[in-house]
Amino acid sequence: KQEVTQIPAALSVPEGENLVLNCSFTDSAIYNLQWFRQDPGKGLTSLLLIQSSQREQTSGRLNASLDKSSGRSTLYIAASQPGDSATYLCACQGGKLIFGQGTELSVKP
Amino acid sequence: GAVVSQHPSRVICKSGTSVKIECRSLDFQATTMFWYRQFPKQSLMLMATSNEGSKATYEQGVEKDKFLINHASLTLSTLTVTSAHPEDSSFYICSALRQGIETQYFGPGTRLLVL
Repeated sequence: KQEVTQIPAALSVPEGENLVLNCSFTDSAIYNLQWFRQDPGKGLTSLLLIQSSQREQTSGRLNASLDKSSGRSTLYIAASQPGDSATYLCACQGGKLIFGQGTELSVKP
Repeated sequence: GAVVSQHPSRVICKSGTSVKIECRSLDFQATTMFWYRQFPKQSLMLMATSNEGSKATYEQGVEKDKFLINHASLTLSTLTVTSAHPEDSSFYICSALRQGIETQYFGPGTRLLVL
């Protein structure tokens, strides 16, 4: 059974810092891994999707990596901004899409 | 990216009533859709997999008679919460699976409050 864990559960940083969010998973038999953003009371915004054959994906200030052999993914956010404050979820797509618990990020001005 | 809509976005109902939530895939046909539930400060939990033209597959612990799912067309799945109780208050999110790339596209969610 796939289990997805995200560390840390919450993170507060000053504006401008680079930061890394971590995601680990127990079953490496996945089609892809996605990182989502969720604002309070809102739905999911897909940020990056990494296919199982890929190692990383980049979009603007975001970079996500995938290491299937170790069961890990990281989301790197460069030059963080207050507008980046949200909960970030990673999810592994195998037979089902299994979500981590999320990291609640707060970027202070 | 693909667009998935949900209606309503927010609903308040009295305990004991039934509520229907619609999930539509607007720009691709989806033989498979999913329904998730999210309680405050928690992650999304899969409730059931909705299959076009056949019965839904429910996750362990989800009552199929309470959460009725109908997937009558390739672009529409509905979730009916029957005899709703306050503990059913939650954020319900659907997704549609785009086959071939095995990627789910999510709706904006429906906030249900049962009084």
